[in-house]
Amino acid sequence: ETGVTQTPRHLVMGMTNKKSLKCEQHLGHNAMYWYKQSAKKPLELMFVYSLEERVENNSVPSRFSPECPNSSHLFLHLHTLQPEDSALYLCASSQDPGQNGELFFGEGSRLTVL
Amino acid sequence: AQKVTQAQTEISVVEKEDVTLDCVYETRDTTYYLFWYKQPPSGELVFLIRRNSFDEQNEISGRYSWNFQKSTSSFNFTITASQVVDSAVYFCALTLYNQGGKLIFGQGTELSVKP
Repeated sequence: ETGVTQTPRHLVMGMTNKKSLKCEQHLGHNAMYWYKQSAKKPLELMFVYSLEERVENNSVPSRFSPECPNSSHLFLHLHTLQPEDSALYLCASSQDPGQNGELFFGEGSRLTVL
Repeated sequence: AQKVTQAQTEISVVEKEDVTLDCVYETRDTTYYLFWYKQPPSGELVFLIRRNSFDEQNEISGRYSWNFQKSTSSFNFTITASQVVDSAVYFCALTLYNQGGKLIFGQGTELSVKP
């Protein structure tokens, strides 16, 4: 069992749906991240939050909207997605983004866009 | 720009064999950190090791060992006497100083250990 929990584990949605991915970390960390893992491609950083403030947005399309209401929770709101957005979305946390410490990952949310 | 290359897409070995996973990185920065992560079928990435650019000492942890060579920009990972439970995708990653969470990942090597 990891200290980072993601729900749902699997999600299938149509291109006109609106859904959200949820991440919760139980490690007392100050930074949280969203990474995207597509087939045959390296993991890509999407967003970084430090102390609930977004510090990085890696040119992600606006159909992905992150929210960090507190240091333990992170959401990724999805709307009008495209089939190429189908991927494994991984949430991670770390003590502090500037300390170069290791990231702790959740098990991911497998998203399929029809 | 930074880049991490894991040239081996898939490796298949028989249990008890030794196996080395290659990782080559590119950066012009002098201060950086290298990582290895394991991704089992369950999906989460499990941290294995972090190494900073000023520490070229090789490290051994049980059946795992890492060989860091700045001269060849490589950070290779060896599993000795592999076991079926070692089957997973292994990722090498790089981050620069003060960019802790911005990991640049290689494409991963899928290791299959057969009984």
